[in-house]
Amino acid sequence: KNQVEQSPQSLIILEGKNCTLQCNYTVSPFSNLRWYKQDTGRGPVSLTIMTFSENTKSNGRYTATLDADTKQSSLHITASQLSDSASYICVVSDRGSTLGRLYFGRGTQLTVWP
Amino acid sequence: EADIYQTPRYLVIGTGKKITLECSQTMGHDKMYWYQQDPGMELHLIHYSYGVNSTEKGDLSSESTVSRIRTEHFPLTLESARPSHTSQYLCASSESIRLGTLKMTNEQFFGPGTRLTVL
Repeated sequence: KNQVEQSPQSLIILEGKNCTLQCNYTVSPFSNLRWYKQDTGRGPVSLTIMTFSENTKSNGRYTATLDADTKQSSLHITASQLSDSASYICVVSDRGSTLGRLYFGRGTQLTVWP
Repeated sequence: EADIYQTPRYLVIGTGKKITLECSQTMGHDKMYWYQQDPGMELHLIHYSYGVNSTEKGDLSSESTVSRIRTEHFPLTLESARPSHTSQYLCASSESIRLGTLKMTNEQFFGPGTRLTVL
């Protein structure tokens, strides 16, 4: 069964600190992995996308890593800001369907305190 | 900035009412999707469409129905709403791209969602 597991479920950090979110997946055959940011009451917005051959991808203060051998990914947030408070969702796409089926994790709820 | 819109953003209705959630995109995308998301849970695909006059049920069984008469429009209808339908409904769209002989699906762009509460 294709699954995406994220940890921790929730995280509270102080403004300016760094944090790392984890994602493990069993989706096969693997196509790509995306990290989305979802603000409360809004739709998810893509932060990064990585294919099988990519190990790391940065987008400003967000850096995602991918280990396709161990099927693990992480999202590192540097110098956190209050606006980083949101749910961060790991999404994996399989290569086996023309639909580009997405498998969603439950997200990590990040809260940044001043 | 994704050009995909959902209305209403919030809806509170009584049991038994018929409702339609609207979703429109101006990007000319051929594929559109409806997801259901409960608090703290993952998104579940309930409907999708490859193009005009094409609709399919997703992974999660839903009593809702959809239609795709125009490329840009993908409304979702509940004939008789119940409290169990209370949830957030997210619409998304994506385009198919060709890489040589391969037809692939590009990134999905999400709308802001409709928060539905059925009393």
